[in-house]
Amino acid sequence: QVQLVESGGGLVKPGGSLRLSCAASGFTFSDYYMSWIRQAPGKGLEWVSYISSSGSTIYYADSVKGRFTISRDNAKNSLYLQMNSLRAEDTAVYYCAAQLWLLPCVYWGQGTLVTVSS
Amino acid sequence: EIVMTQSPATLSVSPGERATLSCRASQSVSSNLAWYQQKPGQAPRLLIYGASTRATGIPARFSGSGSGTEFTLTISSLQSEDFAVYYCQQYNNWPVLTFGGGTKVEIK
Repeated sequence: QVQLVESGGGLVKPGGSLRLSCAASGFTFSDYYMSWIRQAPGKGLEWVSYISSSGSTIYYADSVKGRFTISRDNAKNSLYLQMNSLRAEDTAVYYCAAQLWLLPCVYWGQGTLVTVSS
Repeated sequence: EIVMTQSPATLSVSPGERATLSCRASQSVSSNLAWYQQKPGQAPRLLIYGASTRATGIPARFSGSGSGTEFTLTISSLQSEDFAVYYCQQYNNWPVLTFGGGTKVEIK
């Protein structure tokens, strides 16, 4: 069955860094476009970043541009999010999600919690 | 940026009753509108895409309608497992996605 499993979350101080990973299985990862979407505690959903199936096209939300870097390794069926210069407002559950061309997110991981606090 | 506005923020409904949720876009998104269901501690689940097409495995009591800037999600007869938060999402600006603020459907 389809699985997306995020890891790498945790507690980090403001200004610190974390690298999130998302391991995919049960579908052809290289056919799918991938996004990171986050949800602050008790709040709604916010799209963070996108990477095309080949990794050649990348987009970021303005709130994370210049601080976060998305990447993928199709040979390892994995998606990554390098998060630098973290701020308190980055505290959220981070979900990886899979999309097909011009369609919404059909597969979601269970999320990993990132807490930025001193 | 396209802003998505959902109403009401909270909807109190009795089991077996009909629930109608609204979503408005700040500009036309054509039919590139999805609905998700999220239960506490769980990831969102895709219910509807293309404004009115049910995703795989979604029961027929869920239906979507609308186009342009006005959209509706209807749950024809609420079951206990349907009490959750529902989000609309535009993907007309794909891959940049925008979500509404959510509607919580609670037991009356």
